[in-house]
Amino acid sequence: EVQLVQSGAEVKKPGESLRISCKGSGYSFTSYWISWVRQMPGKGLEWMGRIDPSDSYTNYSPSFQGHVTISADKSISTAYLQWSSLKASDTAMYYCARSSGYSDGWGQGTLVTVSS
Amino acid sequence: QSVLTQPPSVSAAPGQKVTISCSGSSSNIGNNYVSWYQQLPGTAPKLLIYDNNKRPSGIPDRFSGSKSGTSATLGITGLQTGDEADYYCGTWDSSLSAVVFGTGTKVTVL
Repeated sequence: EVQLVQSGAEVKKPGESLRISCKGSGYSFTSYWISWVRQMPGKGLEWMGRIDPSDSYTNYSPSFQGHVTISADKSISTAYLQWSSLKASDTAMYYCARSSGYSDGWGQGTLVTVSS
Repeated sequence: QSVLTQPPSVSAAPGQKVTISCSGSSSNIGNNYVSWYQQLPGTAPKLLIYDNNKRPSGIPDRFSGSKSGTSATLGITGLQTGDEADYYCGTWDSSLSAVVFGTGTKVTVL
């Protein structure tokens, strides 16, 4: 069974850094991209970018390029989404998903709250 | 701001049919496969349809997908209260080099 398990909810202050994780199991982690998707409170899905865990090649949405960093450690089947300086507007639910043209497995989501 | 447009909401009585449209352009739907996702309240999205009209195993045939030109449609027949959810279309946009999602449609069972 394909499983993507994300790290727990985070509460941060503006300006702080953060890295959240997504651990895959039940499939060959290096055979599929991992995408990250943002969902702001009460809003729709926004694709942020993706990584090929086999070689760490990344592809970002123009809307998120330069604002976040996606990485992966294939030795532990884990992908990451990272911010160097959070803003209040980063408050959202973040999902990782196994992708290959479409996303057929999703993590449970990580709620990130940024507030002073 | 999404490049794929969906109606904000659709509704029908139990047992009836609803269709959800997803309108795009030649840089996305017109030249790429479309997928559809169901997001039940408080849960992660779930894949319903991929490659325009294929269903993953476990998805009932009450759900169907189609594509024509730069638009795609999701159909749900035999509507059930458990189908109340938000539905999103998604595809690759060749101009943006990015995945794009639709604006989302809330399905209400009357």
